[in-house]
Amino acid sequence: DGGITQSPKYLFRKEGQNVTLSCEQNLNHDAMYWYRQDPGQGLRLIYYSQIVNDFQKGDIAEGYSVSREKKESFPLTVTSAQKNPTAFYLCASSYSHRNTEAFFGQGTRLTVV
Amino acid sequence: GQQLNQSPQSMFIQEGEDVSMNCTSSSIFNTWLWYKQDPGEGPVLLIALYKAGELTSNGRLTAQFGITRKDSFLNISASIPSDVGIYFCAGQRAGNTPLVFGKGTRLSVIA
Repeated sequence: DGGITQSPKYLFRKEGQNVTLSCEQNLNHDAMYWYRQDPGQGLRLIYYSQIVNDFQKGDIAEGYSVSREKKESFPLTVTSAQKNPTAFYLCASSYSHRNTEAFFGQGTRLTVV
Repeated sequence: GQQLNQSPQSMFIQEGEDVSMNCTSSSIFNTWLWYKQDPGEGPVLLIALYKAGELTSNGRLTAQFGITRKDSFLNISASIPSDVGIYFCAGQRAGNTPLVFGKGTRLSVIA
């Protein structure tokens, strides 16, 4: 089945630790995105990548880092510099950056204690 | 970053009623999308709109791309319990910019 897979579904980390969230897609999509969702805030863009080996900051990139070494993978690292990392993280992909029909993974809920 | 103004924030309706929600912006958008999110899941694409004035249906859902290109509307007819969830509008401005999302409309259906 084609789709986007985020893992794990739930993640707990201690404050001060870096953590990496996985996102893999087998849709052959060029563009991939990371969003953060907080209650009542909607979806806010963290980083996006329009093509392999290239990525751009979104609206709330501070405290996060990404890489795009393979077309199908776009991992997100939440660093210790992120002041409020507890949130629901959503990964999405689209055929290209011009085709805006983005398809989402099931999300990872990160809790930092 | 810019967000879209989506309203209402929440709605409580009786099963069988029709629902309307909308999304507005001060900027022109070239594409409007509507998504639905169930609790703890990722959003699922419902309808995509690409032309000003376009009216598109998907079952009991109908969405319209506003003629000014600054707004969009979603209607759900004859609501059922499984319509419960959060509905998001999303838009793309000109060029290669990523989608911008509204804050969502939380729909509750009372049986």
